[in-house]
This record gives sequence, structure tokens and C-alpha cells, in this order.
Amino acid sequence: DTGVSQDPRHKITKRGQNVTFRCDPISEHNRLYWYRQTLGQGPEFLTYFQNEAQLEKSRLLSDRFSAERPKGSFSTLEIQRTEQGDSAMYLCASSLANRGQGGELFFGEGSRLTVL
Amino acid sequence: RKEVEQDPGPFNVPEGATVAFNCTYSNSASQSFFWYRQDCRKEPKLLMSVYSSGNEDGRFTAQLNRASQYISLLIRDSKLSDSATYLCVVNGVQAGTALIFGKGTTLSVSS
Repeated sequence: DTGVSQDPRHKITKRGQNVTFRCDPISEHNRLYWYRQTLGQGPEFLTYFQNEAQLEKSRLLSDRFSAERPKGSFSTLEIQRTEQGDSAMYLCASSLANRGQGGELFFGEGSRLTVL
Repeated sequence: RKEVEQDPGPFNVPEGATVAFNCTYSNSASQSFFWYRQDCRKEPKLLMSVYSSGNEDGRFTAQLNRASQYISLLIRDSKLSDSATYLCVVNGVQAGTALIFGKGTTLSVSS
């Protein structure tokens, strides 16, 4: 296991279609995060999991976005009825949380979404 | 007020210069502070954690001022390889212990 992996790396879709991204974290990491990044901006927090529990979701996140981590290992992020404003790099990160400290985030290379 | 604010720059400095970045955060209850580095078209990577007493790692020094709610990063003797975007990271207001990133400050070091 060499790090966090994300799939697909690139996705081009038409407006209104659904897309799903997958993230495989570092195997012993118990926390998994999803962020979105657009050009010139820092990563924007979307949601995170501790094991299989989704602990937080950004209030700014549309209901069209849903994430799961069913067995506390890999996670999926689904975007329904995509809009052009959803075009961004979707970053997954994992960490080993210990005694309430979040731990260093290790990021994957991201999944770039382009909505036409 | 945004949760984490940074001057986006860019900061253009010659090799060997000393450069400092500041970052302010809105949540006075925040406990965790970091600087991450992001190279162009790459994922962010941890540069250093920021401790209350301040900490140094080679040419990099990070400081935290809780009273004023700001964090600083000082880079001494800048190298060409320091050219990157530096992201200030704090655990957020609405997101519990989830980490919130600033927009980043872009540094360009030239020879």
C-alpha cells in the first residue's frame, strides 16, 4: 500500500448525469475526508468519516452529494444531477486519528470532474 | 468572516530571501494548526504542525498567536524548490475536528 488512491483520475460528463468517485485510503487509517478544490482556491471541506461513521458534512454541501464508507475502508462520493459548477478536483485524504487528534492528512492525487 | 484567511500573494522573492506568510482563523476554540504545501497540479502535503510554543524545522519556523488568532510561517534562505502554494489549515467551526484549509499563499522564488 503506497498511499491514498482515487478512481477515476479524470471524469468528463454531461450536465444532469450522475458520477461516482472512489477512494481507497491508507489501510490502517481510520479517518477519511473528502475535499473539493477549484483553481486558485484551497481545498474545500465536504465531509469526513471515522471508520464507517460519517461524522461531519459541510452545511454548504448540496443534497445532490452523498458519500459512503460502508465497511470503514474505501469510500465513494456520488454527485447526482451534475451541474457545471460541480467541475472541480475532488480530493480524498486519510489520517490515523489518535486520542482526538486528527493526525496528518495524506491526500490522493484527486479525481478531476468536468461537467459539460 | 471566512474561517481561515490568507493573503493569496503571489510573493515573488529572490533566492536567499526571507519571506513570511500570515494566516488568521475565526474559531477561537481551534486546537490544531498546520501548514501544508501544494505544488502545481499536485496534492497538498504536510509541511509542519504549528505548536503554541512555536516550532522550527530547518529553514522553516511556524508560530501561533492565540490571542490574535493568527498563524505565521517564516521561510529563511529561500530556495527555488520552495516555490509552491502554502496552505494554512485549522480545525474548523462547523466541522468539529475536520480540518479547514485557507485559499493558500503562492510563493515564487527566482534565481
